[in-house]
Amino acid sequence: KAGVTQTPRYLIKTRGQQVTLSCSPISGHRSVSWYQQTPGQGLQFLFEYFSETQRNKGNFPGRFSGRQFSNSRSEMNVSTLELGDSALYLCASSLAAGEKLFFGSGTQLSVL
Amino acid sequence: QKEVEQNSGPLSVPEGAIASLNCTYSDRGSQSFFWYRQYSGKSPELIMSIYSNGDKEDGRFTAQLNKASQYVSLLIRDSQPSDSATYLCAVIASLRSGNNRKLIWGLGTSLAVNP
Repeated sequence: KAGVTQTPRYLIKTRGQQVTLSCSPISGHRSVSWYQQTPGQGLQFLFEYFSETQRNKGNFPGRFSGRQFSNSRSEMNVSTLELGDSALYLCASSLAAGEKLFFGSGTQLSVL
Repeated sequence: QKEVEQNSGPLSVPEGAIASLNCTYSDRGSQSFFWYRQYSGKSPELIMSIYSNGDKEDGRFTAQLNKASQYVSLLIRDSQPSDSATYLCAVIASLRSGNNRKLIWGLGTSLAVNP
């Protein structure tokens, strides 16, 4: 059974640009969550989608957005990138919202 | 504000010893509790889940839950250098609206097992 797949693995952008990250969940998993992780800050929850609907949202500015497609694949978008957006972005899938999470390898975003 | 707290460490134990990791949570209505392990440069992986009071054992790992005292702990017996990682505690907290449940994370405890 394939795990959670995130693309791309690494990304370098400059301030002001926008970026789209992709996540394919484990087959059969309908819930996808996104997290930002920076050294010393722990896992910061961005949002959670279930059956194409956003169920929960963290305390991030509106520059961070996401969506989920009918095949459960999810994308997150960050517009007008800032230096502070440099982080590891993790996607996790689960059978149902709020259950055991299985994480992808993450996308390491560097904003220069 | 629902919170999950962990001692950041680092917790240093000799090889073969028992490592004890603790986590406290603020939401009395919490029902599901998880321990994840994260190696440096890797993503978190689930190692234990526990839902009822008492102990749950899986190999060298034992999770302990005490809902009255609002803490959950993870014991690692016969600690190995390969257990050196950050251990994250996560708790499902209830939200006021509807049946939405939200996973609340601790900041993690860094464990170093010395050969």
